[in-house]
Amino acid sequence: AQKVTQAQTEISVVEKEDVTLDCVYETRDTTYYLFWYKQPPSGELVFLIRRNSFDEQNEISGRYSWNFQKSTSSFNFTITASQVVDSAVYFCALSEFLSSGSARQLTFGSGTQLTVLP
Amino acid sequence: DGGITQSPKYLFRKEGQNVTLSCEQNLNHDAMYWYRQDPGQGLRLIYYSQIVNDFQKGDIAEGYSVSREKKESFPLTVTSAQKNPTAFYLCASKRTGRGASTDTQYFGPGTRLTVL
Repeated sequence: AQKVTQAQTEISVVEKEDVTLDCVYETRDTTYYLFWYKQPPSGELVFLIRRNSFDEQNEISGRYSWNFQKSTSSFNFTITASQVVDSAVYFCALSEFLSSGSARQLTFGSGTQLTVLP
Repeated sequence: DGGITQSPKYLFRKEGQNVTLSCEQNLNHDAMYWYRQDPGQGLRLIYYSQIVNDFQKGDIAEGYSVSREKKESFPLTVTSAQKNPTAFYLCASKRTGRGASTDTQYFGPGTRLTVL
């Protein structure tokens, strides 16, 4: 069965520090997608990025960057020069086909609470 | 504006009562999902629907029921059979079909249910 592990339950940093959130996954599928979502205090999950299992290119979007390494089954997320507004819970998720093969299911990690202090 | 709406934002229920949580989307998405989130945990799938008039159980469907009579709407009923219903409930939707973009789920703002 698929599994997503976010070992860091809580992280606190001071504003402008860089921070990396770890994500390790397990799957038997050869084709799958990995995601990062942000959940601010309001509760809504905000989609940040999707990565195809065939695409190991790292991606940078502004202060955000993602490092996908298939060899270690990891999909880590780095925030550069963190800001107070980055404070949120961040979820890593894995999408793969259900056993019936008819639909994909998202499996979430337990989340990392990031607190950025001013 | 296109998006997913959930109502109410907060819901209080007495033990033994059924309650229905609303989820509406105007994104023209075929698939819709219900998740439950407990403190300090990730999201767990309750039910999902890929097409109107069809839905499937997720990992924790016991004590819940759904309907999908319209493409835009996927209400969730929390029945009295659900032993520990206090949680945060999130609805999501996505396109279906081929391609990576169809695999991204977009979420509503959530409903926080408390059993008194």
